[in-house]
Amino acid sequence: EDQVTQSPEALRLQEGESSSLNCSYTVSGLRGLFWYRQDPGKGPEFLFTLYSAGEEKEKERLKATLTKKESFLHITAPKPEDSATYLCAVRETSGSRLTFGEGTQLTVNP
Amino acid sequence: DGGITQSPKYLFRKEGQNVTLSCEQNLNHDAMYWYRQDPGQGLRLIYYSQIVNDFQKGDIAEGYSVSREKKESFPLTVTSAQKNPTAFYLCASSGLAGGGETQYFGPGTRLLVL
Repeated sequence: EDQVTQSPEALRLQEGESSSLNCSYTVSGLRGLFWYRQDPGKGPEFLFTLYSAGEEKEKERLKATLTKKESFLHITAPKPEDSATYLCAVRETSGSRLTFGEGTQLTVNP
Repeated sequence: DGGITQSPKYLFRKEGQNVTLSCEQNLNHDAMYWYRQDPGQGLRLIYYSQIVNDFQKGDIAEGYSVSREKKESFPLTVTSAQKNPTAFYLCASSGLAGGGETQYFGPGTRLLVL
């Protein structure tokens, strides 16, 4: 059974204080790892897809990396508007469904 | 504008009542999904459909039903058999059934019980 664990559950940062969110996963074969951002009361917004170990993708202050067991979402010099819940999900090679972690709630204080 | 729409934004259900949540997409996507999100929890899959007139149960299908008569539409009915329906419901779609395609989400429907 696929498993996805995100840590920490919640993270408070000061504006400009860089940090990383972790997503550990267990799948029989990884077809893709997905990062989403979710604001309160809204649907998740797609950020990145990573397909193989060693892959990295960047978007503004966010950078996602992937190893064989985990993914990191690095946030560089965050701003208050980066405050949201960040969700990680995996798709295994034999299926079309995603398995989601419980998310990391990020708060960036001005 | 291409995207996924869900309606209504808020829905109130009375005891013993069936209610239907709407999900429409104009992205020409083959696959569509329904998830349930409870406070502080990740998304849990209710039903998914990879092609018109076909759908599969997810992890928490009991008390729910779906149909897929058109490619663009995937309505979810919350039946009276679902004893704890209060949650945030999210619809998603992806381009290729069974592929590594990204799922894109609608804005969600919050269901509350009166």
